[in-house]
Amino acid sequence: DQQVKQNSPSLSVQEGRISILNCDYTNSMFDYFLWYKKYPAEGPTFLISISSIKDKNEDGRFTVFLNKSAKHLSLHIVPSQPGDSAVYFCAAPNSGGSNYKLTFGKGTLLTVNP
Amino acid sequence: DVKVTQSSRYLVKRTGEKVFLECVQDMDHENMFWYRQDPGLGLRLIYFSYDVKMKEKGDIPEGYSVSREKKERFSLILESASTNQTSMYLCASSSADNIQYFGAGTRLSVL
Repeated sequence: DQQVKQNSPSLSVQEGRISILNCDYTNSMFDYFLWYKKYPAEGPTFLISISSIKDKNEDGRFTVFLNKSAKHLSLHIVPSQPGDSAVYFCAAPNSGGSNYKLTFGKGTLLTVNP
Repeated sequence: DVKVTQSSRYLVKRTGEKVFLECVQDMDHENMFWYRQDPGLGLRLIYFSYDVKMKEKGDIPEGYSVSREKKERFSLILESASTNQTSMYLCASSSADNIQYFGAGTRLSVL
């Protein structure tokens, strides 16, 4: 049972436009969410996080929005750049006993075209 | 700067061989993790450790074991490698804030 879902395997946008990556979750106990970025042949790198007490967190070109009632979060990248082309994973700490585990979505491949 | 180092970027092994993947972190993190990444399947947790000599199974532990004798080092062992263990293996570590920091990965091919 996937508790964190990224329903779009891929997304293609033009340079300079907005990229919106979506993530849905089923476990209402999740109270913290993270986004990771992964280039081919490299490990994922932490990008941005949001606590459930907020509905928005911004860091430069990256903003994460959280809609708790819809159990949905999204990552906005504005403006998109070719260097943003990567796989993006959303993740949430396990709400069970081992809360240092992260549950990851399957990822969305973002391609930013020049 | 945070650093997680995996001993090999690429490995080629034969079916039935015993394989050791090593991971070292320099951040004094309590928690360490081993994942594998396969196309269309995302990151799947194999094993994790929350303290020295402590380990817990993740979602896909079959065919793997781990060792954590020192806080900074976490080893993944494939007792008898099989072709379905060909994958990208990723090590990570974290502290109480739950932000996991990953190594560069080891691309393992089992022939």
